Amino acid sequence: DSGVTQTPKHLITATGQRVTLRCSPRSGDLSVYWYQQSLDQGLQFLIQYYNGEERAKGNILERFSAQQFPDLHSELNLSSLELGDSALYFCASSHRGGRADTQYFGPGTRLTVL
Amino acid sequence: AQSVSQHNHHVILSEAASLELGCNYSYGGTVNLFWYVQYPGQHLQLLLKYFSGDPLVKGIKGFEAEFIKSKFSFNLRKPSVQWSDTAEYFCAVNARSGGGADGLTFGKGTHLIIQP
Repeated sequence: DSGVTQTPKHLITATGQRVTLRCSPRSGDLSVYWYQQSLDQGLQFLIQYYNGEERAKGNILERFSAQQFPDLHSELNLSSLELGDSALYFCASSHRGGRADTQYFGPGTRLTVL
Repeated sequence: AQSVSQHNHHVILSEAASLELGCNYSYGGTVNLFWYVQYPGQHLQLLLKYFSGDPLVKGIKGFEAEFIKSKFSFNLRKPSVQWSDTAEYFCAVNARSGGGADGLTFGKGTHLIIQP
C-alpha cells in the first residue's frame, strides 16, 4: 500500500458523458500527478499540482481538467468522453514536487467508455 | 522532449536465471532515472532511482541498475530471479532541470514472467 488512494476503482460510462476521478495523496505530500495508461500510448503524464497550484502540464487533452483542493486531494475531470479515453488513470504524489522526488502511485481508476 | 525505449516487451526466464532489462533514453540534458515495478493487481512501486554520483545504483529486492551516460542507458539487473519477480517493469526519466514537465516519461514496459 503506497498511501495514495483513488476512487472509484472502476468506472463504466457512455460516450459524451463527464466523469470525475478522485485522488488523496500520502500524508504530508504536497504534490499530485495524474497519468493515463492505455495499451497503445503506454503510461503518459497528464498534469501536476503542487499545494493547490498547477505546476506542469503534459499530454492532457483540452477536454480534461484537474484541480487540487486546500486539503490537498485532487480531482481529474474528463468530459465529452470518447471510446479512446478508456484507460487506467493513475494518481501519484510526492513530498515537495521536485524532479528528484520519488512519486508514489495509487492503485488507479479503470475507466471504460462504451 | 525526452523519450524512453525499453527493448524487450516480453521476457520469460526460469528461476535462478540472471536478468538484464534494457532501457535507453533520449534527452540532451541531465536526467533523473527511475525503475518502477508493477506486480499483478498492484500499484506501481519504485525499485530504484539515479540522480547523481555512483552510476551503479542498488534498489530493493536485490535489483540494481547501471547508468552509462555515453550510451544513454540505464539497464536493470538481478543476478538470480525468483518466481515472485513476475511483474511489469517500467523505466522512467525526467529532466533534472530546465524546461519540460516534472512528470515522468515512461517506457512501454517489459512484461517479465519467471517460470518455476
